[in-house]
Amino acid sequence: GESVGLHLPTLSVQEGDNSIINCAYSNSASDYFIWYKQESGKGPQFIIDIRSNMDKRQGQRVTVLLNKTVKHLSLQIAATQPGDSAVYFCAENTAPGAGTASKLTFGTGTRLQVTL
Amino acid sequence: GAGVSQTPSNKVTEKGKYVELRCDPISGHTALYWYRQSLGQGPEFLIYFQGTGAADDSGLPNDRFFAVRPEGSVSTLKIQRTERGDSAVYLCASSLYSGTDTQYFGPGTRLTVL
Repeated sequence: GESVGLHLPTLSVQEGDNSIINCAYSNSASDYFIWYKQESGKGPQFIIDIRSNMDKRQGQRVTVLLNKTVKHLSLQIAATQPGDSAVYFCAENTAPGAGTASKLTFGTGTRLQVTL
Repeated sequence: GAGVSQTPSNKVTEKGKYVELRCDPISGHTALYWYRQSLGQGPEFLIYFQGTGAADDSGLPNDRFFAVRPEGSVSTLKIQRTERGDSAVYLCASSLYSGTDTQYFGPGTRLTVL
């Protein structure tokens, strides 16, 4: 079936460096993507989202890039901090739009480890 | 303001028992979702409510799983005749409406079936 997956299960970066977490998706019908951060023992926390009519979206220290040609999504974290250590999931919503069902399909996640 | 809350935070039960997991969504959110997360995996969709009705229950694994949201707010996920394979973290999320509205997750209930 359709799936969302990640290239790297674990990413280790030094504090202050930039982090890039990648995600491949296979459902060409998906037009809304979300990145979540999950710390141990907690539920996923929304970071940033992007619609398929955009290539790039920026938030506070985070940027999401979408390449629809190769079905690739990435999350960039600038000046990575120890508090950024967590598991990051990309998710796709295959049925966006008000009033429609909107179940998210998640990948398996990438663990980001920030070293001092 | 208060986020999504789930009770209990942990539940240990024996194989064959019945369990209920509760979710209190963010006040005013009309859409409510249940997901299941196994160790080392991403959350998997179970069921979605818009108001009181289950708009999509395609993720429920079998008829031992059932969820209700009688007043359009609190939801209860019910699992009958629990099996060891049901052990997982059960996550609840809510959004203002459906579609592309952000889904906010609760902390989850860790269910362990012995």
